[in-house]
Amino acid sequence: DVKVTQSSRYLVKRTGEKVFLECVQDMDHENMFWYRQDPGLGLRLIYFSYDVKMKEKGDIPEGYSVSREKKERFSLILESASTNQTSMYLCASIGLAEDTGELFFGEGSRLTVL
Amino acid sequence: AQSVAQPEDQVNVAEGNPLTVKCTYSVSGNPYLFWYVQYPNRGLQFLLKYITGDNLVKGSYGFEAEFNKSQTSFHLKKPSALVSDSALYFCAVSPFASGGSYIPTFGRGTSLIVHP
Repeated sequence: DVKVTQSSRYLVKRTGEKVFLECVQDMDHENMFWYRQDPGLGLRLIYFSYDVKMKEKGDIPEGYSVSREKKERFSLILESASTNQTSMYLCASIGLAEDTGELFFGEGSRLTVL
Repeated sequence: AQSVAQPEDQVNVAEGNPLTVKCTYSVSGNPYLFWYVQYPNRGLQFLLKYITGDNLVKGSYGFEAEFNKSQTSFHLKKPSALVSDSALYFCAVSPFASGGSYIPTFGRGTSLIVHP
């Protein structure tokens, strides 16, 4: 089974802190995604990556950056956390060889910024 | 641009009754359509998908969905609801893309509550 692991399930940070959210997948998938989930807004795409060192902005990239130095790892970075970034963050992956298109999700990282 | 609408924020149903969670979509060309389920404080889990072929697709946990091209809908159904089906359900669409590059768009989610 594909496994997508998000290193932190719950984090509490202070305004202005730098925050790293780590995501690792074990199925050699090319595509990886970071979504933000807020009540009533569904999932909104922050960034995605289709290869090592490649990244593309999603719908809401402001205030975030990403890093993909290795194929299996996709990190989301909040350079200076703000209270409006309090949210659930979901990482997902899919391989190019998959012809069916479903995403594999991690368990989520719930971030609270005080 | 592609989009997904889930018109109901919440659906309430009694255990044992049939359930329907609605989804309509907009996409250029042929769509790939998906349903995912999310239990509290968990990630999303894949339920079922429509790629091509039979309009009625069956998925996990007894769920099924019907693709209706003329109405651009992909409603999720189950003949007999269980209390354990209570969760948040997301519909998603992505355009068919050769080469395997998918950027799915998700709906806002529908909270399904099954009452004992």
